Amino acid sequence: ETTLTQSPAFMSATPGDRVNISCKASQDIDDDMNWYQQKPGEAVIFIIQEATTLVPGIPPRFSGSGYGTDFTLTINNIESEDAAYYFCLQHDNFPLTFGGGTKVEIK
Amino acid sequence: EVQLVESGGGLGQPGGSLRLSCAASGFTFSSYAMSWVRQAPGKGLEWVSAISGSGVSTYYADSVKGRFTISRDNSKNTLYLQMNSLRAEDTAVYYCAKDPNTSGYYGFDYWGQGTVVTVSS
Repeated sequence: ETTLTQSPAFMSATPGDRVNISCKASQDIDDDMNWYQQKPGEAVIFIIQEATTLVPGIPPRFSGSGYGTDFTLTINNIESEDAAYYFCLQHDNFPLTFGGGTKVEIK
Repeated sequence: EVQLVESGGGLGQPGGSLRLSCAASGFTFSSYAMSWVRQAPGKGLEWVSAISGSGVSTYYADSVKGRFTISRDNSKNTLYLQMNSLRAEDTAVYYCAKDPNTSGYYGFDYWGQGTVVTVSS
C-alpha cells in the first residue's frame, strides 16, 4: 500500500501569499497524483490531475509539480475564497490512498 | 452537467446491513469506473471500493473486504454499495465518485455530496 504523507496539516495565509502543500509517497507512483479542494457543505472539487495538469475551469493561480515520490500543490496570490481543506490522492495502485489533508485558513 | 446523488444512509446496527445507492446523470455511466470513498468524523478520506464501467472488475479496501459489495446497474445509471456485518468504525460520510477517464483508474473528477452512515446500537 502506498502511504501519502501530506504537510502541513494546517496553515494560515494572508491574501496574496504563495502557499505550498507537500505530499510525499512511500513509493514511486510516477505522476499518478491528483489534488482536490473540499469546502464544508460543498462537493469536492478536482483541481490538479496527473501531478501537474490543471483541471479545466480551475483558476491558474493553482499549480502542481512533482514526479515519483515528491509532489507539491502551489497556490499563488491566494484569495479568501481559497480557504478550504486540500488533499492529495494517488491512483497508481490499489488501494487508492489519500494524504491526510491540509486545512488552509485565510487571515 | 454531471450529477452524483447518494442515498440509503442512516442508522445501522452493529452486525447489520445497509445498502447505499448513487444515482448518476450527465455522462455515459457505463463508460466510467466508479468508486465509493468515506470520511469518518474528524478523520481523513478513505477509499472503500471501485468498480469498472462494465461491472466485471471490482476492488476493495482491506478494511471492508468480505463485508461490503460494490455493484452497478448500467441500465439504471446507478451505483450501489451493499454493506454487511457493519461495525462502529464504518460510521462515516460515504461519497460516490466518478473516474475522469474511460479506461483504467485515474482517481475521481466528480464527487457526490455524500450520505451519512452511523453504526450504533
